[in-house]
Amino acid sequence: AQSVTQPDIHITVSEGASLELRCNYSYGATPYLFWYVQSPGQGLQLLLKYFSGDTLVQGIKGFEAEFKRSQSSFNLRKPSVHWSDAAEYFCAVGGGSNYKLTFGKGTLLTVNP
Amino acid sequence: ETGVTQSPTHLIKTRGQQVTLRCSSQSGHNTVSWYQQALGQGPQFIFQYYREEENGRGNFPPRFSGLQFPNYSSELNVNALELDDSALYLCASSLSETQYFGPGTRLLVL
Repeated sequence: AQSVTQPDIHITVSEGASLELRCNYSYGATPYLFWYVQSPGQGLQLLLKYFSGDTLVQGIKGFEAEFKRSQSSFNLRKPSVHWSDAAEYFCAVGGGSNYKLTFGKGTLLTVNP
Repeated sequence: ETGVTQSPTHLIKTRGQQVTLRCSSQSGHNTVSWYQQALGQGPQFIFQYYREEENGRGNFPPRFSGLQFPNYSSELNVNALELDDSALYLCASSLSETQYFGPGTRLLVL
């Protein structure tokens, strides 16, 4: 069975500081990995995805993520956080012919001025 | 290009009633997936439709049913509503592995 663990429920950073959100997954084959962001009361916006190839992927809004197969991880990073990045972040795993996405419980990011 | 849209945005129902939620997929997308997001949780997969056929189902009871139309828009129907059905219902459309989400319908069951 596929699963995603996001160990940090809530993270607070200062504006301009760097950010790393952790994601660990369990999947029986080669995973398709995603990060989505959700602002309060909104739907999910795709930040980035990894299917194959270069294990460091770039996304929108200055975010990047690194796939590490040996650690079953897909951590999200940003070098300098902006106040507008405050939101909830979800990591998800799926597969090529696997029709569903399995999400973690999310990490709520608070940005202090 | 129009993104995924959902209607209504908010809905209040009472226990035992039935509800229909609607989703219009992004242009060119032939697959629609539905997810339930309870407060403070990540989205949970309900089911997926591909070219008008159900293409997989999560761990939800049969009172959750769906439909996809020839234009690839979709409906989610929930019968005999329970208090625990209160959640944000998200629709996502896709053409391949990447799913794009709509803004959701927030359902409150009293």
